[in-house]
Amino acid sequence: DIQMTQSPYTLSASVGDRVTITCRASQSISSWLAWYQQKPGKAPNLLIYKASSLQSGVPSRFSGSGSGTEFTLTISSLQPEDFATYYCQQYNSYSYTFGQGTKLEI
Amino acid sequence: EVQLLESGGGSVQPGGSLRLSCAASGSTFSSHAMNWVRQGPGKGLEWVSTITGGGDTTYYADSVRGRFTISRDNSKNTLYLQMSGLRAEDTAVYYCARVTAAAGTIVYWGQGTLVTVSS
Repeated sequence: DIQMTQSPYTLSASVGDRVTITCRASQSISSWLAWYQQKPGKAPNLLIYKASSLQSGVPSRFSGSGSGTEFTLTISSLQPEDFATYYCQQYNSYSYTFGQGTKLEI
Repeated sequence: EVQLLESGGGSVQPGGSLRLSCAASGSTFSSHAMNWVRQGPGKGLEWVSTITGGGDTTYYADSVRGRFTISRDNSKNTLYLQMSGLRAEDTAVYYCARVTAAAGTIVYWGQGTLVTVSS
């Protein structure tokens, strides 16, 4: 099975900061990577698919890059509503795998 | 607008069984693969199972294979997860989730239903 490793586990930042979260796959997944945002008590929300495609309705301050085994999610200028937990997910095969999550906190 | 509504969660003793349902609306149900994803208390997301649109192919996480069965009734726009041999580590919020062709991965999620396995 493909393993996904995110870093960092927690990230402290301030409004207006530029932040980057990294996700590594245990084997190549081409560009079959998604990023989700989850707030407490809520279902996840898709931000990025196919490594770099912005989901409709998601603010342009979110961007994704990478291919193969290494990927990044960047938030260009943090807004108060961005403080949440972020997950990467591979969908190279039907055995989807999520990273362990990155909690973005003030 | 796509809506997914899970039901069937609750408390069950270890070794017991439970069936979750997910009623879908707003789109052509049979055209899309469906998934169950769970999240234990204070934990991350864990993919559980996927079923293709026609229901002919299913996939399972190693942690549930042989104990859980995913199925769907396209005439009722409903997805199911039959869970047996439940363990304490199966305690989680279970989300029904739908893939879109455009994204190739999960876009739509239900609100989740809580399953608690405890004696």
